[in-house]
Amino acid sequence: DAGVIQSPRHEVTEMGQEVTLRCKPISGHDYLFWYRQTMMRGLELLIYFNNNVPIDDSGMPEDRFSAKMPNASFSTLKIQPSEPRDSAVYFCASSTRIYGYTFGSGTRLTVV
Amino acid sequence: AQTVTQSQPEMSVQEAETVTLSCTYDTSENNYYLFWYKQPPSRQMILVIRQEAYKQQNATENRFSVNFQKAAKSFSLKISDSQLGDTAMYFCAERIQGAQKLVFGQGTRLTINP
Repeated sequence: DAGVIQSPRHEVTEMGQEVTLRCKPISGHDYLFWYRQTMMRGLELLIYFNNNVPIDDSGMPEDRFSAKMPNASFSTLKIQPSEPRDSAVYFCASSTRIYGYTFGSGTRLTVV
Repeated sequence: AQTVTQSQPEMSVQEAETVTLSCTYDTSENNYYLFWYKQPPSRQMILVIRQEAYKQQNATENRFSVNFQKAAKSFSLKISDSQLGDTAMYFCAERIQGAQKLVFGQGTRLTINP
C-alpha cells in the first residue's frame, strides 16, 4: 500500500488566490481527516469524513475553507481566498474505526 | 472536553541513553485509546505506539514502551537505547472510543546527541 498520498508537497501562492489541496486515503479506510499544523496552535482537526460524508466540520476556521470527498479515494481541501495567516502544514489522514491514523506527508502552504 | 498535555517542550539526551517523555490527559470517558506519534524533520507523522485504555498491560514496540497509569491519567513514553534517528518531535494523542477525533498534545522536541 502506498499510504496516504497528498499533493502538492509544497504550495506557494499569493494572497487572494484559490488553493486546492488533495488527498488519496488508504484503500479500505472509511475515515478521512484534515488537520492543520502551526507553531502557535499545534495540530488542529479541521474536518473529518466517514464513508465520504462530512461528520464534523467545527474546526474549519472560516467560510473561506471548504472540503469535499466525492468518492472513497479522493478528498480536497480548498481555501478561497487565501490569506497569509493560512500558511501552515496541512495533513490528511485516514483510518478505520478503532485504530490510530495513518498520515500523509503533508502540504506546506505559504501564502505571501 | 479532551485535553492532552505534554509538559516538556524540549529534551536532549546522549545516544544510547534511555529517555522518558511525559504526557497527561483529561477525559471523563472510560474507553479510549492513547497514541504516541513521531514527527522527524521530514514532517511525516509516524505512529510509534498505541495503548487501549481497557488493557492493563503496558504496550511495547521494540525499544519503545509506555507507562500507562489510568487513575493518574498519565501516559509516558520510554525510549531505550536511544539512537540518532529518534531525533524528532513526539506527540501524545487521545481518541475516545466511539468518537473519531484525535486530540494531540503540543509536542516534545527530542534531540539525541552523538
